[in-house]
Amino acid sequence: KQEVTQIPAALSVPEGENLVLNCSFTDSAIYNLQWFRQDPGKGLTSLLLIQSSQREQTSGRLNASLDKSSGRSTLYIAASQPGDSATYLCAVREGTDKLIFGTGTRLQVFP
Amino acid sequence: EAGVTQFPSHSVIEKGQTVTLRCDPISGHDNLYWYRRVMGKEIKFLLHFVKESKQDESGMPNNRFLAERTGGTYSTLKVQPAELEDSGVYFCASSRNRGQETQYFGPGTRLLVL
Repeated sequence: KQEVTQIPAALSVPEGENLVLNCSFTDSAIYNLQWFRQDPGKGLTSLLLIQSSQREQTSGRLNASLDKSSGRSTLYIAASQPGDSATYLCAVREGTDKLIFGTGTRLQVFP
Repeated sequence: EAGVTQFPSHSVIEKGQTVTLRCDPISGHDNLYWYRRVMGKEIKFLLHFVKESKQDESGMPNNRFLAERTGGTYSTLKVQPAELEDSGVYFCASSRNRGQETQYFGPGTRLLVL
């Protein structure tokens, strides 16, 4: 049974720092991995989608990497800003279409 | 293009009552998913529609939950009768095709059963 873990559970940093959020999964037979952002009381916003054949994806200040063989993904946030404060979720997709989520990393970036 | 919408945004009901949640996917998206997050837990899959057909309902917790998608457009999720442990946030997502595509999520319905 696939299990997805995110470390750390919470993170508080000053503005301007570069950050690394970690996601690990127990079964490497995945189709893709998706990183989401959730603001308080809001839905999920898709940030990056990495296919199983890819190693990384970039969007602006965000870079996500995937190492399927070791069951790991990292989300790198460059030059963090207060507006980046949110909960970040990773989710893997297996043979069926369902996503299996981690519990998230709650990020706070203070000025 | 409008995103995934869900109604209501919040619902407070008493144990034993019935609640119906609605999801309108992005226009043209054949795939519709329901997920939920109960207090302190991760988001978990409930079921997946392809058009009006249930493709995978392996995540439905029990027979108090009934999902429908008549005509392959919007979907409803009915909980009858509601129990305390059903409290949480119910998310709907949609995608145009299966497989490798991004799933787009709605804002969720926050359900509280008293």
